[in-house]
Amino acid sequence: AQTVTQSQPEMSVQEAETVTLSCTYDTSESDYYLFWYKQPPSRQMILVIRQEAYKQQNATENRFSVNFQKAAKSFSLKISDSQLGDAAMYFCAYRSANWGGSEKLVFGKGMKLTVNP
Amino acid sequence: KAGVTQTPRYLIKTRGQQVTLSCSPISGHRSVSWYQQTPGQGLQFLFEYFSETQRNKGNFPGRFSGRQFSNSRSEMNVSTLELGDSALYLCASSLEGTGSNQPQHFGDGTRLSIL
Repeated sequence: AQTVTQSQPEMSVQEAETVTLSCTYDTSESDYYLFWYKQPPSRQMILVIRQEAYKQQNATENRFSVNFQKAAKSFSLKISDSQLGDAAMYFCAYRSANWGGSEKLVFGKGMKLTVNP
Repeated sequence: KAGVTQTPRYLIKTRGQQVTLSCSPISGHRSVSWYQQTPGQGLQFLFEYFSETQRNKGNFPGRFSGRQFSNSRSEMNVSTLELGDSALYLCASSLEGTGSNQPQHFGDGTRLSIL
C-alpha cells in the first residue's frame, strides 16, 4: 500500500519570503501522480499543483513549484513571494496512474502554514 | 460552471441515528469519491463511484455505504452513528475516472457532529 508522509506539522513564513514544504511517499509503482492541495479555513480543498511521475521536469504554477525527486520518493512544494492568502493547511497526495482504475487519493497528514505580515 | 455541491453543510445527530449526505459533482464529471477528515486520522478514503458502480472502497465498517445515481449525483449513508463518526466528510469529483492526471475537485464538505 502507498503511504505519504509530511513530517512537519507546522511552519511559518514572513510575507514575501519563500518557504518549502516537504513530502515523501512510498510506493512500488512506477507510474503515478502527485498533488499538493491547499485547505483554507473555509474547508474546501483546492488543487495547488500536480506532477506526473513520468515527467522529469518539475511542475510550476505561478508562485508555486515542486522539486520532484523520483528516486528519493520526495515531492516538496516551494511557495515564492508568500502572501497572506497562502495561509492554510497543505496536503500532499498520491494517486496511482492505472488506466481505467481508481481515482483514490492517499493523503499525508497535512501541514499548517502561517504567513506573518 | 458550478463546483462540487455538498449538502447539508452542517449536521448534528445523536448516537444510534443514521444520516445521509449528498454530493452533486461538477457537470460532466462521472467519478465521485468520498473522504472522511478527522484531526486524529487525517483524510481517509471512504469509497469511489463511477457510472453508478462502486469501484473502490476504503477500510471502513459496513455502517458506511454509498450509491451513485444516473445523473452522477452521489449519496453516502452512515447507520448506527457512533461518536467517532464526527468528522468533515468531503466529496470529490473528476472528469472521466480513467486514472488520468485530471485532478479531483472537492466540495466544501459536510461537518457531521455526533452528540
